[in-house]
Amino acid sequence: SYVLTQPPSVSVAPGQTARITCGGNNIGSKSVHWYQQKPGQAPVLVVYDDSDRPSGIPERFSGSNSGNTATLTISRVEAGDEADYYCQVWDSSSDHPGVVFGGGTKLTVL
Amino acid sequence: EVQLVESGGGLVKPGGSLRLSCAASGFTFSSYSMNWVRQAPGKGLEWVSSISSSSSYIYYADSVKGRFTISRDNAKNSLYLQMNSLRAEDTAVYYCARDEDSNYPFDYWGQGTLVTVSS
Repeated sequence: SYVLTQPPSVSVAPGQTARITCGGNNIGSKSVHWYQQKPGQAPVLVVYDDSDRPSGIPERFSGSNSGNTATLTISRVEAGDEADYYCQVWDSSSDHPGVVFGGGTKLTVL
Repeated sequence: EVQLVESGGGLVKPGGSLRLSCAASGFTFSSYSMNWVRQAPGKGLEWVSSISSSSSYIYYADSVKGRFTISRDNAKNSLYLQMNSLRAEDTAVYYCARDEDSNYPFDYWGQGTLVTVSS
């Protein structure tokens, strides 16, 4: 089955840029979606189709996807961005198609 | 306003059964695929199952296949998850989420319902 690999944690100072990666075999050929989850809350979609933003999501959130790595970039990081972030794809390549989530990355704002 | 409200969670013994429901409002339920995603305490998100708008396509994670059954009633704007032969490792918050179709993002999520499997 398809596997998505994320770093367990990323730390960044306020005002700096955070980059969270999501690795997968030829992930560049798939559409990648990113979710933010704060403690005790449901996940929220922050980037879809590699690089599009839902309405209401700040422009500071952006995404890219190429080769074997997709990246969520958060510019001018704020304290309120501290959360867990998950990448997600639809895997149609196996005998058992389905949704795949990365293991999640905890973003800490120093 | 789109709303997804899960219910039916609770404490159940290993080997027992539970039926979760997700009541949808604020959108044309019959036009969207629906999904169940769970999150064990302190762990990441795990996809459980998906069902297409007309129930023509149904998918399960290997971890629940043969034990869980997803269904929907478009007349009642409701999604269900029948969980049988429950195990301790099924303990999690269960979220329902909608998408337009496979490969589309989950754009709205419910707040979740907690299922605890313990003797």
